[in-house]
Amino acid sequence: QKEVEQNSGPLSVPEGAIASLNCTYSDRGSQSFFWYRQYSGKSPELIMFIYSNGDKEDGRFTAQLNKASQYVSLLIRDSQPSDSATYLCAASGGSYIPTFGRGTSLIVHP
Amino acid sequence: EAQVTQNPRYLITVTGKKLTVTCSQNMNHEYMSWYRQDPGLGLRQIYYSMNVEVTDKGDVPEGYKVSRKEKRNFPLILESPSPNQTSLYFCASTSGGPGELFFGEGSRLTVL
Repeated sequence: QKEVEQNSGPLSVPEGAIASLNCTYSDRGSQSFFWYRQYSGKSPELIMFIYSNGDKEDGRFTAQLNKASQYVSLLIRDSQPSDSATYLCAASGGSYIPTFGRGTSLIVHP
Repeated sequence: EAQVTQNPRYLITVTGKKLTVTCSQNMNHEYMSWYRQDPGLGLRQIYYSMNVEVTDKGDVPEGYKVSRKEKRNFPLILESPSPNQTSLYFCASTSGGPGELFFGEGSRLTVL
């Protein structure tokens, strides 16, 4: 059974702080990893993807991948109240069925 | 505007009454898929399609059917809905890998 685990939260951080969201996966065959943001009542939106070990930066977002530890993280620098949402981690391997985690709720308070 | 359009957005129906949720994308994407999202269970894939006339089961296909007669359309069919199919449904498509998805706005279905 392929699983992607996330702490459901909520993770509460003050405005301007770094938010750190974490995800572990069970399938060692997973090759591609994704972070989606989902605002309440809205559809998920892809914000980052990472395929190789290490860090990938895009604006205020940094995705980190450690395949040996089967660990993926998303860092949000200078967090804003508009970043308050649920963040979904997903992993995809050789099949065409990506596995999603249950999501971590992030609250950024002013 | 690039989009995935689902209809209906909201539907209340009764057990056993066949229904279809339509999904259409205007991005010429080959890959399309259907998900359901339930509290505490996250997003689970129902069916996916790699191209016209090519469909395959996801993690939770029981009670659902799909068809892909045209590249842009991928309807989800519930032949005999049951209350356990009450859920929020998302259609998604991509031109890239199966994880790089562009989601529709969602269809909230209630089966009484």
